[in-house]
Amino acid sequence: AQSVTQLDSHVSVSEGTPVLLRCNYSSSYSPSLFWYVQHPNKGLQLLLKYTSAATLVKGINGFEAEFKKSETSFHLTKPSAHMSDAAEYFCVVTRSGTYKYIFGTGTRLKVLA
Amino acid sequence: DADVTQTPRNRITKTGKRIMLECSQTKGHDRMYWYRQDPGLGLRLIYYSFDVKDINKGEISDGYSVSRQAQAKFSLSLESAIPNQTALYFCATSDTPAGTGSGANVLTFGAGSRLTVL
Repeated sequence: AQSVTQLDSHVSVSEGTPVLLRCNYSSSYSPSLFWYVQHPNKGLQLLLKYTSAATLVKGINGFEAEFKKSETSFHLTKPSAHMSDAAEYFCVVTRSGTYKYIFGTGTRLKVLA
Repeated sequence: DADVTQTPRNRITKTGKRIMLECSQTKGHDRMYWYRQDPGLGLRLIYYSFDVKDINKGEISDGYSVSRQAQAKFSLSLESAIPNQTALYFCATSDTPAGTGSGANVLTFGAGSRLTVL
């Protein structure tokens, strides 16, 4: 069985400060993990993907995430927030070949000027 | 043009009406999915299809039906809409996995269809 927990439903940061969005997962199999971003009135866009290669994954727009098996975590970070980063972020766990992509409940990021 | 196109983008309807949401893709992917998004609940799978002849129920299929008219087209129907089907609906596609060790494939999403049932 697989599950994913996003530990914060809302995160607020000031522009130019670091961003940390937390995601813990549970998986009986070797997981594939994704972060997606959803801007208002838009579909979900892939930020980055982990599939058992490098544990530090770099994505678009300066985001990166680190897969930590011992902590069952896949936290999303960015060194310096930009106003355009304000959106909702979803952590997703699945495994190769399955139809079942398990979505977290989302973290809404607010960036303060 | 978008890789995954959903129509309509917004729809308001009344209880008991039949509604169809359409999805078409230019990715050439075999796999297509319909998800529902409700605030605070993430995305939940309604139906998925691995090819034109392979359609399967997801976790919340009651009250919905689907049709895979072609590899590129996958439509979702609400035969008799009810207010608790008010939600944002997403179509997504993915490629068939390349093989063991390749990792899961990325989902590509449409822009969403916002449905309101009065």
